[in-house]
Amino acid sequence: EAQVTQNPRYLITVTGKKLTVTCSQNMNHEYMSWYRQDPGLGLRQIYYSMNVEVTDKGDVPEGYKVSRKEKRNFPLILESPSPNQTSLYFCASSWSVGTDTQYFGPGTRLTVL
Amino acid sequence: GENVEQHPSTLSVQEGDSAVIKCTYSDSASNYFPWYKQELGKRPQLIIDIRSNVGEKKDQRIAVTLNKTAKHFSLHITETQPEDSAVYFCAASNSGGSNYKLTFGKGTLLTVNP
Repeated sequence: EAQVTQNPRYLITVTGKKLTVTCSQNMNHEYMSWYRQDPGLGLRQIYYSMNVEVTDKGDVPEGYKVSRKEKRNFPLILESPSPNQTSLYFCASSWSVGTDTQYFGPGTRLTVL
Repeated sequence: GENVEQHPSTLSVQEGDSAVIKCTYSDSASNYFPWYKQELGKRPQLIIDIRSNVGEKKDQRIAVTLNKTAKHFSLHITETQPEDSAVYFCAASNSGGSNYKLTFGKGTLLTVNP
């Protein structure tokens, strides 16, 4: 089954404790992206990757890191989480960014205390 | 960078009525405009998209129109049903440029009352 998976789905952590949210897709998509969703702000792009070892900042990259060492995986790293990073996070993938459907993962609800 | 404005933020209609959601964008180079539907507690899913060489596209009860001159595009849902209740997001991107970002509007919460 073609899908995008994320783990964990729910996470409660404390300020400053490094964490990683994993994202994996099995559709051989080149483009992957991370978004955060906050009430009233819609979906805002954090980082995106056009292919292996190619990543770039989205609109809200501060406080986040990503890596793309394999085509299927695109982990999101929070080196020192802060309460303002409490949010719902979605990973997405597509063949390309321009004219293709973005397939979203199920989401990760993160709470930073 | 691109800025996408979406209106209204909430929309309530009676079952069977039509619903219209409007978006404007700022980057004249944008040429791809998808619409995503997000049901409560679920992930966004593409429902329809339009490219800049097309003025209108329909898929059953859903249609999207694009006015490149005015830089706005709209989602039209006819004969609304309760299962159409969801948050709808518009988005814009430039598929041929150096900016590979997909910029979303802030969303419209559509409620269809039985």
